[in-house]
Amino acid sequence: AQSVTQLDSHVSVSEGTPVLLRCNYSSSYSPSLFWYVQHPNKGLQLLLKYTSAATLVKGINGFEAEFKKSETSFHLTKPSAHMSDAAEYFCVVTPGGGATNKLIFGTGTLLAVQP
Amino acid sequence: DTGVSQDPRHKITKRGQNVTFRCDPISEHNRLYWYRQTLGQGPEFLTYFQNEAQLEKSRLLSDRFSAERPKGSFSTLEIQRTEQGDSAMYLCASSQGTSGHNEQFFGPGTRLTVL
Repeated sequence: AQSVTQLDSHVSVSEGTPVLLRCNYSSSYSPSLFWYVQHPNKGLQLLLKYTSAATLVKGINGFEAEFKKSETSFHLTKPSAHMSDAAEYFCVVTPGGGATNKLIFGTGTLLAVQP
Repeated sequence: DTGVSQDPRHKITKRGQNVTFRCDPISEHNRLYWYRQTLGQGPEFLTYFQNEAQLEKSRLLSDRFSAERPKGSFSTLEIQRTEQGDSAMYLCASSQGTSGHNEQFFGPGTRLTVL
């Protein structure tokens, strides 16, 4: 079965400092992995996706994530946090092997950015 | 194109009543998904359509739930005899193509409160 575990439910950083949101995955096949962001009262937005090409994936708004198969991890990072980054972030896996592309979400990490 | 739209945005109902939600996907998107998100959790897959065919249903989708996508365009999700446990945000997403790599675009959701 496929699943993702987000290791922190809340992360708080100061504006201008690095962001690290941690995610571990479990998949029987070569997975596709995504990070989505959810701002209050707004729809989910795709930040970036890994689809078995380059292991370091760059996304929107300066975010990037590195796929590490040996560690089954897909952590999200950003060098310098901005106030507008405050939101909830979801690590997502979709099973490979020709299965449906339904998304399997983690429980989310709420990012707070302090001035 | 204005993205995925959902109607209504909020619905308050009494236990035992029936409710119906509508989702309009991005035009030309052949896949449409329904997810449910409860407080403090990530969205959970309910069902999806490829064109007008409903190809997969989650075990979460009890027999009180029914979804349709006539003519492969908009979709409706009906909940009969609502229960308090049905209170959640119902999210719709759409994508183009059949690959698991394709981005799913989410609507703003319909928040259901069952009293």
